[in-house]
Amino acid sequence: NAGVTQTPKFRVLKTGQSMTLLCAQDMNHEYMYWYRQDPGMGLRLIHYSVGEGTTAKGEVPDGYNVSRLKKQNFLLGLESAAPSQTSVYFCASSSLSGGSDQPQHFGDGTRLSIL
Amino acid sequence: DAKTTQPNSMESNEEEPVHLPCNHSTISGTDYIHWYRQLPSQGPEYVIHGLTSNVNNRMASLAIAEDRKSSTLILHRATLRDAAVYYCILRDRLGNTGFQKLVFGTGTRLLVSP
Repeated sequence: NAGVTQTPKFRVLKTGQSMTLLCAQDMNHEYMYWYRQDPGMGLRLIHYSVGEGTTAKGEVPDGYNVSRLKKQNFLLGLESAAPSQTSVYFCASSSLSGGSDQPQHFGDGTRLSIL
Repeated sequence: DAKTTQPNSMESNEEEPVHLPCNHSTISGTDYIHWYRQLPSQGPEYVIHGLTSNVNNRMASLAIAEDRKSSTLILHRATLRDAAVYYCILRDRLGNTGFQKLVFGTGTRLLVSP
């Protein structure tokens, strides 16, 4: 069972470059999320999606864009990378049924360094 | 979002029980108590959740105080693999779309010694 798969696992960018992080889930979940985790801190929500074609801002959305063209995929884009975006990025998904009773399933993260 | 308070770190020996406390004095009547853990270099992993009654699953037990202002995650026999950061999170079971975000604090780092 693949669960939530994130690609790439590691990436180094130069300031100003752009890139897209891909998240794929095979559990037919309606909800998907992107978080970032900085050293010594808990995860913070960047953007989320409650269904195909819909996205919404989370706690720290500035500098990021997202798209959910297919139910199983959630893309996180950095248009012009900045050193402050150096972080570990986690994608998660959860089921609609049961509401907040449903756990979120996380990928193993993408470690992104911006020089 | 209601806030939770956890100790920064705890230590245990392998094969001993571990009790991880969490205070949530401002919990509302509709908040679920969720626990996640994060092993080194991995994403968070769901452990257990409950509303009012104590809960057991294959990973752990959750003991909830009668007034719901605190809870305790119990690992019955700690193993080296249980060394992780444990997060106690409140989630409101009500919502317009059913979506409820997870608000992570800094959690409790559990160290397990052989």
